[in-house]
Amino acid sequence: NAGVTQTPKFRVLKTGQSMTLLCAQDMNHEYMYWYRQDPGMGLRLIHYSVGEGTTAKGEVPDGYNVSRLKKQNFLLGLESAAPSQTSVYFCASSGGLAYNEQFFGPGTRLTVL
Amino acid sequence: RKEVEQDPGPFNVPEGATVAFNCTYSNSASQSFFWYRQDCRKEPKLLMSVYSSGNEDGRFTAQLNRASQYISLLIRDSKLSDSATYLCVVSPSGGSYIPTFGRGTSLIVHP
Repeated sequence: NAGVTQTPKFRVLKTGQSMTLLCAQDMNHEYMYWYRQDPGMGLRLIHYSVGEGTTAKGEVPDGYNVSRLKKQNFLLGLESAAPSQTSVYFCASSGGLAYNEQFFGPGTRLTVL
Repeated sequence: RKEVEQDPGPFNVPEGATVAFNCTYSNSASQSFFWYRQDCRKEPKLLMSVYSSGNEDGRFTAQLNRASQYISLLIRDSKLSDSATYLCVVSPSGGSYIPTFGRGTSLIVHP
């Protein structure tokens, strides 16, 4: 099993450009999450999904959109990138129960110039 | 008040030392508790779940104090390889079980 994978691993964008980050999991998990991690800020939840076809806003959703068309994939989109979106983005998945462990992908390092 | 609070550290300890971290949470209805470990520039990984009766895994001991709303992690006989950031995670009861992460406590173990 590959677990949780993320594409791409690194990306540099110019302000105003758009891009999509792809997260895939092969554990048949219901819940998927997108986080960003900035120095001194910890992990902050952007959006999450509790099942195929569902999405919900997290703590810091502005400037991002998501889609969960297939159970195994969770896409994070930046329509018009801003320097404030420079960060490390982690995707995670879990079974969805309170005691379930979250499994994280290796992260995507995004720089917006 | 932030939902989950941790002392950011860093805790700088020599090999072989015992070190303890605390984490406080604000939601008294929280149901599940975890410690994750995150190495530099890597993804977080589960270190251990925290059970009401306390639990131990080798050199690591986790405890929960519901009355005072905190969890703790004790590391005995620290190794250089224990150097990492330790994240406290709390999951609510009911609704969507979306966990809340603390900002992490940095541990540096030196020779």
